[in-house]
Amino acid sequence: DFQLTQSPSFLSASVGDRVTITCRASQGISTYLAWYQQKPGKAPKLLIYVATTLQSGVPSRFSGSGSGTEFTLTISSLQPEDFATYYCQQLNSYPLTFGGGTKVDIK
Amino acid sequence: EVQLVESGGGLVKPGGSLRLSCAASGFTFNHYGMNWVRQAPGKGLEWVSFIRSSSSDIYYRDSVKGRFTTSRDNPKNSLYLEMNSLRAEDTAVYYCARVVYGDYVYYGMDVWGQGTTVIVSS
Repeated sequence: DFQLTQSPSFLSASVGDRVTITCRASQGISTYLAWYQQKPGKAPKLLIYVATTLQSGVPSRFSGSGSGTEFTLTISSLQPEDFATYYCQQLNSYPLTFGGGTKVDIK
Repeated sequence: EVQLVESGGGLVKPGGSLRLSCAASGFTFNHYGMNWVRQAPGKGLEWVSFIRSSSSDIYYRDSVKGRFTTSRDNPKNSLYLEMNSLRAEDTAVYYCARVVYGDYVYYGMDVWGQGTTVIVSS
């Protein structure tokens, strides 16, 4: 199975901060990686797919980069509504796998 | 409005069975692959199963193979997850989720239901 390791697991930040979350794959997955945001009690929301493509309706402060085994999700200027947990997911092969999540909390 | 609504969750004893349903609306259901994803209490997301738009291919994670069966009824715009021999570790919120583009799972999942809770406990 393709393992995904997210770092950090927890991040404390302030409104306006630039935030970067890393996702490392145990094997190369090309660009078949997606990022999701999840708030407590809610379903995940797709932010980025194929590593760099912003999902329709998602603010442009979110961006994704990377290919192969190393990927990043960047929030250029953290907004109050961005405090949530973020997951990466590899879609290169079955079983599809998610990273362990990064919780972004208010500093 | 594009929407997925899960139902069928509940409390079941270990070894028991449950059938989850996911009702789709607002899009052409038979054009899209669908997934089941679960989340145990306080834990991360875990992919469970994928089914192609035509049901021609179905994939499962190892821990549910032989116990869970995914199916769909395209004329009824519905997705199903039949769960047998349930274990405590199957306790989770179960989400159905649509593939972004047709059957191309590479693009991720863009529409999610609100989830239905399954609790396996004696």
